[in-house]
Amino acid sequence: DVKVTQSSRYLVKRTGEKVFLECVQDMDHENMFWYRQDPGLGLRLIYFSYDVKMKEKGDIPEGYSVSREKKERFSLILESASTNQTSMYLCASCDSLAKNIQYFGAGTRLSVL
Amino acid sequence: DQQVKQNSPSLSVQEGRISILNCDYTNSMFDYFLWYKKYPAEGPTFLISISSIKDKNEDGRFTVFLNKSAKHLSLHIVPSQPGDSAVYFCAASVTGGSYIPTFGRGTSLIVHP
Repeated sequence: DVKVTQSSRYLVKRTGEKVFLECVQDMDHENMFWYRQDPGLGLRLIYFSYDVKMKEKGDIPEGYSVSREKKERFSLILESASTNQTSMYLCASCDSLAKNIQYFGAGTRLSVL
Repeated sequence: DQQVKQNSPSLSVQEGRISILNCDYTNSMFDYFLWYKKYPAEGPTFLISISSIKDKNEDGRFTVFLNKSAKHLSLHIVPSQPGDSAVYFCAASVTGGSYIPTFGRGTSLIVHP
């Protein structure tokens, strides 16, 4: 079974802090994604990566950056956390964009105070 | 502007009855559609998909119907079980394009015993 692991289930940070959210997948998938889920807004794509060191902006990249130094790991970075970045963050991976069946991690609930 | 719409935020059904979750889309380029299921404190998991060359796909208790002319798809769960209580996300993608799925905002299904 595909396993996508997010390093933290819950995080509490202060406004202005730099925040790292880590995601690791164990199925050698080329493609990885970061979403945020907010009530009434569904899943919104922040960034995705289709290869090591490659990244593409999603629908809401402002305030975020990403890093993909190794194929199995995709990091989401909040350079200076703000309260409007309080959300559930979901990482996903998939091996074939033609099918685009994504496998998700359990999520990280981030609170920015 | 939402390209994938799930107009019912919630749905309540009695155990044993049929659950019908609806999804509408506006982008005629979408040709691959997926349903994901999400329990609280877990990531979404893939449930069932359908290609635009079909109008129906069935997997056990779950059936997805696609009406291309109406740009509408629906997920039928028969019979509904309390364990089906979850948030269901509809997603759509263009297999010849970026492949990245666009998600709806989700419908929360509650199945009462």
